[in-house]
Amino acid sequence: NAGVTQTPKFQVLKTGQSMTLQCAQDMNHNSMYWYRQDPGMGLRLIYYSASEGTTDKGEVPNGYNVSRLNKREFSLRLESAAPSQTSVYFCASSRIGTGRYNEKLFFGSGTQLSVL
Amino acid sequence: QKEVEQNSGPLSVPEGAIASLNCTYSDRVSQSFFWYRQYSGKSPELIMSIYSNGDKEDGRFTAQLNKASQYVSLLIRDSQPSDSATYLCAVNIGGGTASKLTFGTGTRLQVTL
Repeated sequence: NAGVTQTPKFQVLKTGQSMTLQCAQDMNHNSMYWYRQDPGMGLRLIYYSASEGTTDKGEVPNGYNVSRLNKREFSLRLESAAPSQTSVYFCASSRIGTGRYNEKLFFGSGTQLSVL
Repeated sequence: QKEVEQNSGPLSVPEGAIASLNCTYSDRVSQSFFWYRQYSGKSPELIMSIYSNGDKEDGRFTAQLNKASQYVSLLIRDSQPSDSATYLCAVNIGGGTASKLTFGTGTRLQVTL
């Protein structure tokens, strides 16, 4: 049972290059998320998709785009990478829930991205 | 003011002692509160969730919630070296159908022999 799978695990980019981080889950979850984690800043939400066909901005969406390709897959694209986007990126998923229920997040193993 | 605040630590406790981790949040309408554990270089994993005022116990872990004071804590009894990790407090701010959790910056716990 793979859970949430992210690729790649490591990536080095030059400023201005573009790339797409891939994420797939096999738990039939409705909601998917992209977080970034920086030292001293904690996990910050970039974008999320409450259900297939919808996407919404999180706390730090600038410089990123997302695509909910289908129920399983949610990709994050950096169109023109900047050094400020050097971070560890986590994809996560959850069953749909309202209020207090079904809100456990399942995380992928992360992508360490360096932008030079 | 950050929406979810934690002391970054490190919090150092001897093996066998009780570790107490604290978190405050700013949104009075928050309904769901979580503690995630993150080992160095790994992804976060959920260890406790709490929704009602009071205590919730699960093995060596106890989560405590006080909505009036906007305060949530995690107690780890009989701390073990394997408990050494960063503990992230997370709060569902705004409700809705997606789990839009807001995380604190985490408290690093060190359990010493």
